Amino acid sequence: EPEVTQTPSHQVTQMGQEVILRCVPISNHLYFYWYRQILGQKVEFLVSFYNNEISEKSEIFDDQFSVERPDGSNFTLKIRSTKLEDSAMYFCASMYVRERFYGYTFGSGTRLTVV
Amino acid sequence: QQQVKQSPQSLIVQKGGISIINCAYENTAFDYFPWYQQFPGKGPALLIAIRPDVSEKKEGRFTISFNKSAKQFSLHIMDSQPGDSATYFCAASIRSGSTLGRLYFGRGTQLTVWP
Repeated sequence: EPEVTQTPSHQVTQMGQEVILRCVPISNHLYFYWYRQILGQKVEFLVSFYNNEISEKSEIFDDQFSVERPDGSNFTLKIRSTKLEDSAMYFCASMYVRERFYGYTFGSGTRLTVV
Repeated sequence: QQQVKQSPQSLIVQKGGISIINCAYENTAFDYFPWYQQFPGKGPALLIAIRPDVSEKKEGRFTISFNKSAKQFSLHIMDSQPGDSATYFCAASIRSGSTLGRLYFGRGTQLTVWP
């Protein structure tokens, strides 16, 4: 079964450092998403990406965040200057739409720890 | 504003029992209601989903009941098994426009099934 692959699985970084989280979506999917989940809390939407541009972003997705699809396969989330409160699980998801059916798949996540 | 409210926060059920998790939503534009199952250290995995033109959907031991007028939907797990112990999230989405695919998650229910 096709999977969304995220790397690394765990990243520890110092406050103020830049991090790049990587995702390889399912190959025939056209819509891409980043979500985050602070420990013990609900999953929160960050950003959606379609046709090489941001479709929607939440209030969490401020100027410190950016997304890119640099080579047509990878989908990256960059946090320019990490803060302690950025510590969370970050999930990538991809989706295709066919008539009335969604195929929406999440990756296993990257656990980001900011120290 | 919390778009999707989920209860209970935690649930303990004996093996063979019925687990029931409830969700309520605010936005009448939502037209897709999935349930996700999440095991520790993993991403959310789609369990079952329903559209608002259907009042009930059953897949194996899992059933979604949907009440459009009350803006509520629930997940029933019949013959609950220890392997069902996980966190369950309800979600809602709008399948068109700029918000296509954005999932609004409930806060999650931690289900424990005792053997």
